[in-house]
Amino acid sequence: DTGVSQDPRHKITKRGQNVTFRCDPISEHNRLYWYRQTLGQGPEFLTYFQNEAQLEKSRLLSDRFSAERPKGSFSTLEIQRTEQGDSAMYLCASSLTSGRTLYFGPGTRLTVT
Amino acid sequence: AQTVTQSQPEMSVQEAETVTLSCTYDTSESDYYLFWYKQPPSRQMILVIRQEAYKQQNATENRFSVNFQKAAKSFSLKISDSQLGDAAMYFCACATGNQFYFGTGTSLTVIP
Repeated sequence: DTGVSQDPRHKITKRGQNVTFRCDPISEHNRLYWYRQTLGQGPEFLTYFQNEAQLEKSRLLSDRFSAERPKGSFSTLEIQRTEQGDSAMYLCASSLTSGRTLYFGPGTRLTVT
Repeated sequence: AQTVTQSQPEMSVQEAETVTLSCTYDTSESDYYLFWYKQPPSRQMILVIRQEAYKQQNATENRFSVNFQKAAKSFSLKISDSQLGDAAMYFCACATGNQFYFGTGTSLTVIP
């Protein structure tokens, strides 16, 4: 069991650029979540996949954010036309369908300058 | 909407002593799960302990135990024999349906 991995761990980008993050969940986990965490706050839900189907998106998620999980394995989160307010830690987590326990990756820290 | 409240932004404990972190939650669901996660500085979030709401018995994991008061919607975490490695942010979470709701965290400092 290799755990949840995320790439890159750190990303610095200029405002207006597009960025893409990758998450590899634990291999047998059906569910995959993306969260955003800012300093001093708990994780904030962005979106959730059951296998390859994106079942839920936060109402706070703007149209600049898009996520995919082709073939129900790894997932990507893309942010288009980044803004300074997008600076945060982006966390990926996975779980078994019936497991109810989230296993988190190390996160990708995004800094928009 | 579900909410999770951690009213203690910061706590400190002397090494080898016991500390209790507070958490209250609000949900109208009858089927839910409660968690405490630990996030050490610059490291990933890991599960500390989990409690199924339908179980009356409080969960324990080695030095970590919870006091689950269902009627009061309270879910506190007790850390016994605190160690330097326990220093971290601790997040309380409530899972209902497909969603997890997190509190704002408690920063725990362990004093040698």
